Amino acid sequence: DSGVTQTPKHLITATGQRVTLRCSPRSGDLSVYWYQQSLDQGLQFLIQYYNGEERAKGNILERFSAQQFPDLHSELNLSSLELGDSALYFCASSVAPGREYIQYFGAGTRLSVL
Amino acid sequence: GQQVMQIPQYQHVQEGEDFTTYCNSSTTLSNIQWYKQRPGGHPVFLIQLVKSGEVKKQKRLTFQFGEAKKNSSLHITATQTTDVGTYFCAPDYYSGGSNYKLTFGKGTLLTVNP
Repeated sequence: DSGVTQTPKHLITATGQRVTLRCSPRSGDLSVYWYQQSLDQGLQFLIQYYNGEERAKGNILERFSAQQFPDLHSELNLSSLELGDSALYFCASSVAPGREYIQYFGAGTRLSVL
Repeated sequence: GQQVMQIPQYQHVQEGEDFTTYCNSSTTLSNIQWYKQRPGGHPVFLIQLVKSGEVKKQKRLTFQFGEAKKNSSLHITATQTTDVGTYFCAPDYYSGGSNYKLTFGKGTLLTVNP
């Protein structure tokens, strides 16, 4: 158990819908990262938050947004869903900037868009 | 953006055989990390390499960082069925100030025939 909690584990929805994925980082970790993993694209970095503020952006679509709350949990919002958004979404956390290389991953949320 | 090439994409071995995966970058890396993801699991941090020519060992696993800090390798001696999974390299790219961005390669999927 990495200490990172992601909910829900599975999500099945239809095209055009909006979903929210939730992540609780390890106790004491201030940085949260979101990744998308699909078979053909590997592990793609989406976005990073540190102590409530956006710190780095990767290949995140405009239809996707995220935030980190004062209690440090984070949510990833995916809207106007398309079939191609079906993937495994991981959240990871690390202690602080400068220690990003050790990231603790949650079990992931598997999103299926039908 | 910056990318690393990880080869091979897939490797199937007989139990007891050795295995090597390579990670190559066209630009100099600040450091490089290796992660392992078991089937159905989440990525788990294995090790970080920082110095040019660095070699680190973890039991049957040997990690190397090239002299020019543009490539790295992970070698497993006498594979076991517990080694099955996808091995990712994750280099840090310096992006200015105190910011480093972790980028995952596409991974090498190792399967082991008992």
